[in-house]
Amino acid sequence: SQTIHQWPATLVQPVGSPLSLECTVEGTSNPNLYWYRQAAGRGLQLLFYSVGIGQISSEVPQNLSASRPQDRQFILSSKKLLLSDSGFYLCACGQGSPRNIQYFGAGTRLSVL
Amino acid sequence: AQSVTQLDSQVPVFEEAPVELRCNYSSSVSVYLFWYVQYPNQGLQLLLKYLSGSTLVKGINGFEAEFNKSQTSFHLRKPSVHISDTAEYFCAVSDQFKAAGNKLTFGGGTRVLVKP
Repeated sequence: SQTIHQWPATLVQPVGSPLSLECTVEGTSNPNLYWYRQAAGRGLQLLFYSVGIGQISSEVPQNLSASRPQDRQFILSSKKLLLSDSGFYLCACGQGSPRNIQYFGAGTRLSVL
Repeated sequence: AQSVTQLDSQVPVFEEAPVELRCNYSSSVSVYLFWYVQYPNQGLQLLLKYLSGSTLVKGINGFEAEFNKSQTSFHLRKPSVHISDTAEYFCAVSDQFKAAGNKLTFGGGTRVLVKP
C-alpha cells in the first residue's frame, strides 16, 4: 500500500516570503497527485492535481503554483506568500482501480504572519 | 457539476449512543461515494467507500453507510460511539466515468463531539 510523506509538518513564514512544500509517495507508481487547502473552520479546497510528470491542472486562480518533477514527487510553491495563504495543506494520492480512491498525507500547517 | 451537502455541521452525541451523519449529493452521472475522517491536526483517513454492488457498505472502526440512489444520499452510521470517534467527518463523491483527474467533490464536513 502507498505511503504519503509531507514536510514540513508545520511552518511559520512572514508575508512576502517564498514557499515550498513537498509531497512524496512510496509504494505505488504513476499515481494521480493532489494538493488541497483547508482554511480554519472550512472544508477542503482542491488547488492542483497532476496525472503525470510535468502535467499540472489548476483548480482555482491563486498565489500558488505546483510542479511534479518526478513520478512520485509533488511540490507546492509560492514566490510571495499572502496572509490568506495560511491554512492546512494536504497532499493526496489516487491510484489503483478506480483511481478515484484518494489517500492523504498528514498535512502541513502553514501560518503566514 | 457535482455537489455534496452535509446537513449537519456539528453533531454532539453521548458515549455509547448511536450516531448518524447525513450526506446528500447531486450529480447527473453515476458516482462513487466516500466517507473520510479527520482527527485534529491530521490528514484524512478513508472510512469506507461505495463503488458498486451492495448498497450497505461497512468500513473501519464500526462505521457503515447506506447508498440510496433514489434519494441521492449516503448517510454514515455507527451504533455505539466512543470518545475516540470525536473528529470531523467528510462525505465525498466522484464521477465514475470522467477520466480527467478522477477528482473528488467534498462536503463541508460534520464535526462529531462525543461526550462522556
